[in-house]
Order: sequence, then C-alpha cells, then structure tokens
Amino acid sequence: QKEVEQDPGPLSVPEGAIVSLNCTYSNSAFQYFMWYRQYSRKGPELLMYTYSSGNKEDGRFTAQVDKSSKYISLFIRDSQPSDSATYLCAMAETSGSRLTFGEGTQLTVNP
Amino acid sequence: GAVVSQHPSRVICKSGTSVKIECRSLDFQATTMFWYRQFPKKSLMLMATSNEGSKATYEQGVEKDKFLINHASLTLSTLTVTSAHPEDSSFYICSARQGIGGELFFGEGSRLTVL
Repeated sequence: QKEVEQDPGPLSVPEGAIVSLNCTYSNSAFQYFMWYRQYSRKGPELLMYTYSSGNKEDGRFTAQVDKSSKYISLFIRDSQPSDSATYLCAMAETSGSRLTFGEGTQLTVNP
Repeated sequence: GAVVSQHPSRVICKSGTSVKIECRSLDFQATTMFWYRQFPKKSLMLMATSNEGSKATYEQGVEKDKFLINHASLTLSTLTVTSAHPEDSSFYICSARQGIGGELFFGEGSRLTVL
C-alpha cells in the first residue's frame, strides 16, 4: 500500500466550476500537509501549507485536513483555464523532514 | 520570493556519457537540498537529501555511484548522472529548504534524454 494515495484523473471541468481534489494517507505521523501545482514541464510550486487538522483558505483555494480520517482535500472555487495543471499533495512528519508526494491529479478547466 | 534555478533545463546525451545538473538557490542559503526524479504523469520520487558540506543521503534503491550528488556550498548542489543509459531518461527536479523547517522551493526541472 502506498503511503499517499491520490487519484491521477484526468479531471476535466467547465470554467467556473468548483473543483475538489483529494488524497488519503496511511502514516498517522504525518502532521504537515501541502498542495503543489505543477504546470507541464515545470517544477512544482507551493499552493497551500497546513499544519495538523482544520481548514485554510487563500483566495479561491481552500485546503482541508481531517487527520482522524487520514484525508485531505483541496477545493478550487470559480475555476479558471489558468488553473489547468497537475496538483500534487505532499505530506511530512515534521516541518524539516522529507516530503512524501501523491501521484498528482491532472486537471483541465475548459473555457 | 525565493528562487531556485536549475541548469540545464534540457539535455540530450549519448549513452555512456556523464551529465551534470546544477541546482542553485538564488537569494537564500539552502542548508538542505533534495533531488527528485519524475516520470511522465507520475509523482516525484525522492532520490537523495543533500546537506551542505556532508555526504548525501540516498533513498533505498538509488545507486550512489550512478547518481553523484555534491553540495559544496550553501547555494549550489550538483547531480551528476554517470555513464548514462536510456533508462536514466527522466525529469530531474531539485528543491531547496530555507533554514530548518523553512519552506521548500523547487527548481524548474531538468529533462534528460539519453540516446
């Protein structure tokens, strides 16, 4: 069983839709949860960073962490064509430890 | 914001040659740098963790003699793929951490094609 599971998609939505991306994990020691966006042939860029359980909102993006269910989500409101990318979840046990990545979900937002 | 630069972004080489990829933190000192490998439509696989001035720590299954990592300064780490073969063709990405527990910044990646 992989430590982090993420549906690779692809996911295709119309412009303006609400997008829900999810990851599950098995390592209960994970405390730091991140979402990265990766455009084609580019390196990942950090979107959201959350410690422990709860919600975090930044503009059109909301990250949720449910440690009891070992489940994290990223919601994108009013999705735009420029949001088309691969979204990777990542987790770590401590703030300085290695990241474990999900496989990434490929998202296409159609105008 | 902090920037991590990788060079070259794209390299094509013949089988049997060695290729060096550089990773630089442009406006911060990176005590720790990480090297990843990414296959098409797959996740990032951590290859090794590099701390300035010490030997890199390699992940299980990664050949140390094949993938040489040097972190000679707080702003530069290099990955050398020795005696490259077609199966080494991949997207190699570095990341750098600003201080202990600091944000992790990724480079743009280097696409290696071995003919």
